[in-house]
Amino acid sequence: EVQLVESGGGLVQPGGSLRLSCAVSGFTFSSYWMTWVRQAPGKGLEWVANIKQDGSEKYYVDSVKGRFTISRDNADNSLYLQMNSLRAEDTAVYYCARRIAETATGGHFQDWGQGTLVTVSS
Amino acid sequence: QSVLTQPPSVSGAPGQRVTISCTGSSSNIGARYNVHWYQQLPGTAPKLLIFGNNNRPSGVPDRFSGSKSGTSASLAITGLRTADEADYYCQSYDISLRVWVFGGGTKLTVL
Repeated sequence: EVQLVESGGGLVQPGGSLRLSCAVSGFTFSSYWMTWVRQAPGKGLEWVANIKQDGSEKYYVDSVKGRFTISRDNADNSLYLQMNSLRAEDTAVYYCARRIAETATGGHFQDWGQGTLVTVSS
Repeated sequence: QSVLTQPPSVSGAPGQRVTISCTGSSSNIGARYNVHWYQQLPGTAPKLLIFGNNNRPSGVPDRFSGSKSGTSASLAITGLRTADEADYYCQSYDISLRVWVFGGGTKLTVL
């Protein structure tokens, strides 16, 4: 059974940092692109970042470039999102997902975790 | 304003058929990127419903189907059930913006 379990969310002040984790099981983690998608309260889905199987390629939505860093540990079957300089507009549920694609572009998100809530507020 | 446009809401009676549209442009759906659909039941994570325009993952009933034409795509749901009440999102890739894009979501109400 495929499982993705996020952790690390919580309340943080504007300008603060948080590191999200996603523990994966049920598939060969090192064979797939991985993704973070977020959903602000009452809003739609927004793609945040992707990382290639070996971590050599990373892509980010413009609004988080320079502030967020996606990474992975294939030995530990774990995905991470380091979030710095957090803003109120980063408040959202953050989901990790397995991306299925043959190339760096396109593709879909096959499996999703349950999400972890990040609240940025003073 | 989402890159992919969906109606905010649709509704139908049990047993009926509804469709949800997803309108893009020449830089995403029209650029031959596939469209995918996700179902998000209240309080839960999104779930892949349709991938590659018209393919169902294992376990998704054939009441759900997808299509794509030009710069638009559609999700059709037949034999509506109350359990289908959820938010539905389309997704593709935009080659101009170089981002993965979602529609704004459509809330399905089964009357």
